[in-house]
Amino acid sequence: KQEVTQIPAALSVPEGENLVLNCSFTDSAIYNLQWFRQDPGKGLTSLLLIQSSQREQTSGRLNASLDKSSGRSTLYIAASQPGDSATYLCAFFGNEKLTFGTGTRLTIIP
Amino acid sequence: SQTIHQWPATLVQPVGSPLSLECTVEGTSNPNLYWYRQAAGRGLQLLFYSVGIGQISSEVPQNLSASRPQDRQFILSSKKLLLSDSGFYLCACTPISLNEKLFFGSGTQLSVL
Repeated sequence: KQEVTQIPAALSVPEGENLVLNCSFTDSAIYNLQWFRQDPGKGLTSLLLIQSSQREQTSGRLNASLDKSSGRSTLYIAASQPGDSATYLCAFFGNEKLTFGTGTRLTIIP
Repeated sequence: SQTIHQWPATLVQPVGSPLSLECTVEGTSNPNLYWYRQAAGRGLQLLFYSVGIGQISSEVPQNLSASRPQDRQFILSSKKLLLSDSGFYLCACTPISLNEKLFFGSGTQLSVL
């Protein structure tokens, strides 16, 4: 059974800093990986998708990496802004469904 | 691109009452459909998923059920709600191609009192 862990559960950083969010998983038999953003009381928005054959994907200030051998994925946010404040969740797709981590609640301090 | 309509946005129901949450999808055909629940302070829990009309897979045994009467319609139901059914319910879909992202509806906040 796939287990997905995100540490830390919460993170606060000053505006402008670069930061890394971590995600680890136990089963390397994944099809793809996605990082999502969730604002309070809202649904989830997919940020980046990495196929299992890829190692990273970039979109604007976001870069996500995937290392299946170590069971890890990271989401790198460059030059953080107050608008980046949200909960970030990683999820692994396998066996027709996604398994989600519990998320990291990110607060960017102006 | 896909659009997921989910309603209502908020719902307050007494214990023991029935439940029906509806989700409809536009912009794609034969999608995989999912119901997730997010309890306060916890991660997303997959409740049901469907790969086609009338095909429902249950992940967690509980007093909820799901149905897919049409290709782009997914319904979550309960005959008698429990206090523990409170949470944020999200409908999601992926197009038939597994290379696509998962899209979510805006969610329903259910409070069972």
